[in-house]
This record gives sequence, structure tokens and C-alpha cells, in this order.
Amino acid sequence: GENVEQHPSTLSVQEGDSAVIKCTYSDSASNYFPWYKQELGKRPQLIIDIRSNVGEKKDQRIAVTLNKTAKHFSLHITETQPEDSAVYFCAASRTGGGADGLTFGKGTHLIIQP
Amino acid sequence: GAVVSQHPSWVICKSGTSVKIECRSLDFQATTMFWYRQFPKQSLMLMATSNEGSKATYEQGVEKDKFLINHASLTLSTLTVTSAHPEDSSFYICSARDYRAGGPDTQYFGPGTRLTVL
Repeated sequence: GENVEQHPSTLSVQEGDSAVIKCTYSDSASNYFPWYKQELGKRPQLIIDIRSNVGEKKDQRIAVTLNKTAKHFSLHITETQPEDSAVYFCAASRTGGGADGLTFGKGTHLIIQP
Repeated sequence: GAVVSQHPSWVICKSGTSVKIECRSLDFQATTMFWYRQFPKQSLMLMATSNEGSKATYEQGVEKDKFLINHASLTLSTLTVTSAHPEDSSFYICSARDYRAGGPDTQYFGPGTRLTVL
């Protein structure tokens, strides 16, 4: 099955600086890679996703890059703000049949220092 | 759009009893829903895929007789934890695909159910 590795487990950055979280996956057939933000005790919220036919996607301060050859993808947050503090999870799945669940990384606790 | 609800939000039960958790897609139909479990300060682990009108598909290591899943309609899936024990205490979260928005792969999560077994 799929295995997703995520680094770092904790990331502390100064407000206004950029944050980068990296993930690798093992199943070359995986073709969908979402990123979720989870605040304590709450549901994961989708912040951005990318499909394997795209190398990069951007949404305001958030961007995701995908390198299919190396099987890794990264989340980039620019101009970080205090409300960006949360746990971020990357995930991967092999979709097409509409039935594959997500395999998650272990999460990154992002701390924005004022 | 794409709202998923769960009920109850939290439940405390005695060891040996069964607990049912409901997952509903409020504004869309979901032929497929997923059940995840999350232990404190850990990641989400996929337990099973719930398919409307057919049997659920369980991940390796998940006991299908202990975690009963029923997906009787296009907007409701239920997870029943049978003969619950303290080690089943966890945060159970469901998700559903909304094929209308964001593409067919996007999953939206429910708010989760905190289960505590005494």
C-alpha cells in the first residue's frame, strides 16, 4: 500500500516569513495529493490540492509543487500570519474509480512566532 | 456547499457496549464515504470505505465485525463500534466526496466524533 512521509514534524517560523513542508510518497500510481489544515479538536480543512498532471498550483499565499519522478510534493506558505498556526497534513491517493481513501502523512505542527 | 455532519460530536460509554456514529452529507449525494480514526496528536488512519448499497471495504488490520459500517442511502453512512473497549477510544472522522465541486477527488470531512470508552 501507499506510504506517505512528512517533514518536519514541527516548524517554527517568524510571522511574515515563509514556511515549507515536504512529503514523499511510495506508490507511483498515486495521482491526487491534497493538503489539509487541522486546528485542535476540529475537522481537517482542505487548503489546496494537486493532481498528477500538474506540476504546481497556487492559491494566494499557498502553493503546492509536485515532482512525480522523485515522488515528492511540497506545501509553501508565504507571508505567514498567526492564524496559519495549526497542524498540516499531506495526503495521497490513487483515484479514478472514486473509491480510494487518503493515506496521510504524520503531520507538521506549524508555529508562527509573533 | 459540501457540508458533512456527524452525530454525536462526543460520546462516553461503558466497556462492552456498542456505539453508533452517523455521517451525513447535507447538501450533496455521496455514493462513497470514508471512515478515519485519529488518536491524540497523531495522523488520520483510513479504516474503511463505505459504498452506498454495497458492503464496505476495510483496510488491513481493521476488524469488520467490530466496526460495522452501513451506507443505506446516498446521504448517510453509519459506523457502529461493537463491544467497545478502552483502546477503541479515539476521534472518529468521516469524509465524503463531492463530485460537483473541486473535482471528483476532493474529500470533505465531518467534524468528528470523540469516543471515550470507560
